[in-house]
Amino acid sequence: GAGVSQSPSNKVTEKGKDVELRCDPISGHTALYWYRQRLGQGLEFLIYFQGNSAPDKSGLPSDRFSAERTGESVSTLTIQRTQQEDSAVYLCASSLASAGELFFGEGSRLTVL
Amino acid sequence: QKEVEQDPGPLSVPEGAIVSLNCTYSNSAFQYFMWYRQYSRKGPELLMYTYSSGNKEDGRFTAQVDKSSKYISLFIRDSQPSDSATYLCAPGGDYKLSFGAGTTVTVRA
Repeated sequence: GAGVSQSPSNKVTEKGKDVELRCDPISGHTALYWYRQRLGQGLEFLIYFQGNSAPDKSGLPSDRFSAERTGESVSTLTIQRTQQEDSAVYLCASSLASAGELFFGEGSRLTVL
Repeated sequence: QKEVEQDPGPLSVPEGAIVSLNCTYSNSAFQYFMWYRQYSRKGPELLMYTYSSGNKEDGRFTAQVDKSSKYISLFIRDSQPSDSATYLCAPGGDYKLSFGAGTTVTVRA
C-alpha cells in the first residue's frame, strides 16, 4: 500500500508479557518516528530513526522499551515485561526528510490487563 | 510545565460556525508549526504547515502564529459536520514535533 502500515492493529496482553509492534513506512522515507498516545493525551515522542544515523532514543520511558530499524525499512518497537500503564495507542510515522510532514499509520492499540 | 499547552475541550458548535483553536508553547527554539487532524481511531493527518509568524490560509482553514508571544491558532470557517475530529497543534524544531493534547471538536448538523 501507499501509506504507513502498522501491525497488529489491536493487541491485548497480560501484565508481564513482552509485545512487539511493527511499522512499515512509506517507501523512500528516510525518517521514522514512534509516538505513544494515551487516552485523552497528546502524542508523546518515543524514538526517531534517520537513515543509518544513530537513533534519538531520548523519549523511551524506560529500559523495558526498545526499537530497531534496519536501514530505511521496517521498524519494530518492543516492550518487555508490560505494565498496565503501557496501555496506549502506539503510532508510527515516516517522513521524506527531517522537519517535513509526518505521515502516520493508524496505530497499534495496546491493552495490558 | 508542558512544552505545548492546548485546551482539550471538548468543543461543540453548530454547522456554519467559526471554530477557534489555540495553543501556547514554551520552547523558543521551535521553528515550524503544524496542525494535525485526527479522526476517531485513525492516525493524525497534516492539515496546515507554516514556518513564520503571521497568517496562512488554505480554503476554510487559517493558521496563525505569533512567535513573540509563543501562541498558535487555527480557525475553521463555515464549519461542517465532516470537520468533527480532534485537532492537534504541533510545533517543531530540528526533526522533532511536540504535540499538544488535542482539542476535540464536534460540529452539529
